[in-house]
Amino acid sequence: DQQVKQNSPSLSVQEGRISILNCDYTNSMFDYFLWYKKYPAEGPTFLISISSIKDKNEDGRFTVFLNKSAKHLSLHIVPSQPGDSAVYFCAASEGGSQGNLIFGKGTKLSVKP
Amino acid sequence: DTGVSQDPRHKITKRGQNVTFRCDPISEHNRLYWYRQTLGQGPEFLTYFQNEAQLEKSRLLSDRFSAERPKGSFSTLEIQRTEQGDSAMYLCASSLMGTGLDGYTFGSGTRLTVV
Repeated sequence: DQQVKQNSPSLSVQEGRISILNCDYTNSMFDYFLWYKKYPAEGPTFLISISSIKDKNEDGRFTVFLNKSAKHLSLHIVPSQPGDSAVYFCAASEGGSQGNLIFGKGTKLSVKP
Repeated sequence: DTGVSQDPRHKITKRGQNVTFRCDPISEHNRLYWYRQTLGQGPEFLTYFQNEAQLEKSRLLSDRFSAERPKGSFSTLEIQRTEQGDSAMYLCASSLMGTGLDGYTFGSGTRLTVV
């Protein structure tokens, strides 16, 4: 049973517009949530994170929103750029453990010029 | 520092053979992680070390798998008697001990194909 779900396998967005990537989770004990970006033939790269005591965290063009009651988080990229085209993974951990991240299956974002 | 290095990048082996992968983390990072990723899936946790101590192992890590980090620096992951189901990308990552918000630095992975 998947504890972290990314239900959209792919997303296509026009350059300059907003990209919204969604993630749902089932384990209410998760207290840290992270987003990673992955280009082909490379390992995932850490993007941004949020703890369960917050509902928003912003870093430049990237903002993560957390809705604990809905067990839902989203990553907003504004404005989207062609270089943002990659697979985005949502991940979560519980109990302050940095050891065991549970990843979703990923969403492939394509940003078209 | 060149980041997290993994060797080899690709490995093709026959079923039943043993394989060993190496990971060199970022030098000042005291935590090292192994994950496995199959096609269409996200990375799945296998195990992690803090310095030389192996602190957590996933149930995915069957008795055919063993990982070591003998001096708290590089790590090896060995798979004995490989099976076709072991075909995957094996990812290593490292981090400083910190909060769960800090993220890891991943290597580019070792792609294993068992034929």
